[in-house]
Amino acid sequence: EAQVTQNPRYLITVTGKKLTVTCSQNMNHEYMSWYRQDPGLGLRQIYYSMNVEVTDKGDVPEGYKVSRKEKRNFPLILESPSPNQTSLYFCASSWGGPQETQYFGPGTRLLVL
Amino acid sequence: AQSVSQHNHHVILSEAASLELGCNYSYGGTVNLFWYVQYPGQHLQLLLKYFSGDPLVKGIKGFEAEFIKSKFSFNLRKPSVQWSDTAEYFCAVNAWGDSNYQLIWGAGTKLIIKP
Repeated sequence: EAQVTQNPRYLITVTGKKLTVTCSQNMNHEYMSWYRQDPGLGLRQIYYSMNVEVTDKGDVPEGYKVSRKEKRNFPLILESPSPNQTSLYFCASSWGGPQETQYFGPGTRLLVL
Repeated sequence: AQSVSQHNHHVILSEAASLELGCNYSYGGTVNLFWYVQYPGQHLQLLLKYFSGDPLVKGIKGFEAEFIKSKFSFNLRKPSVQWSDTAEYFCAVNAWGDSNYQLIWGAGTKLIIKP
C-alpha cells in the first residue's frame, strides 16, 4: 500500500532533550516536506527536499534540522526542543514538487514541557 | 512573502445547504491552486487542483472551485452538502517564479454539517 508513515505519532518530552521524528514513503517520491500545524495558522512549511542530499528551508526552519540521505526517508530533528515547538507535525511527499499531489503522513503530535 | 487567506475559520451548515468557502492569495504571477481536506481521523488529501485552462475545476465528492484571476480567488463550492463533508478544508498555493518549491497554505476552515 502506497503510504507515508511517521513515528512516533505522539510524543511528550522536556525542554532541551533532542528528539527525531521519522518520515518514510514507499512511493519513490522525489519531493518531501515537513509542516507544522497550529490553531489559526494552518500549515507552515519547515523544510523541504527536492531529492537526496538536496534540502532547503521553508517558512519556519528555526530550531529544526533535516537530512535526506535516502530517497524514502526524511527525518525531522529537534536538537534542543522548546515549548514553542509544541505542535502537530506532518510529513508529505510527491513525485516532482509542490505542484504535484501531496501525500501526507498521519501526523505527529508533540508536546514540549 | 506570499500569503493565502481563508475567510471563515468555522462554518456550520445543515445537510442539503449550499457551501462556498473563500480563498484569496496575494501573488500576481502564475499560480497552481489546491484545496485539500482532512476528514476526522484521516490524512490530509487532495480535493481538487487548478493548473491552467478552464477556471472551473471539479474534484472528488461533488466539490468544485472557480479560479478568478482578477480577484486572486479560488473559492470552493458544493451545491448540497452532506453530513460526511464534516472536515477541515485547506486552500494552498504554489507560486511559480517566487517560491517554486513551496506550498503556501491558508489557515483552514472547519466545516461542521448538522444532520
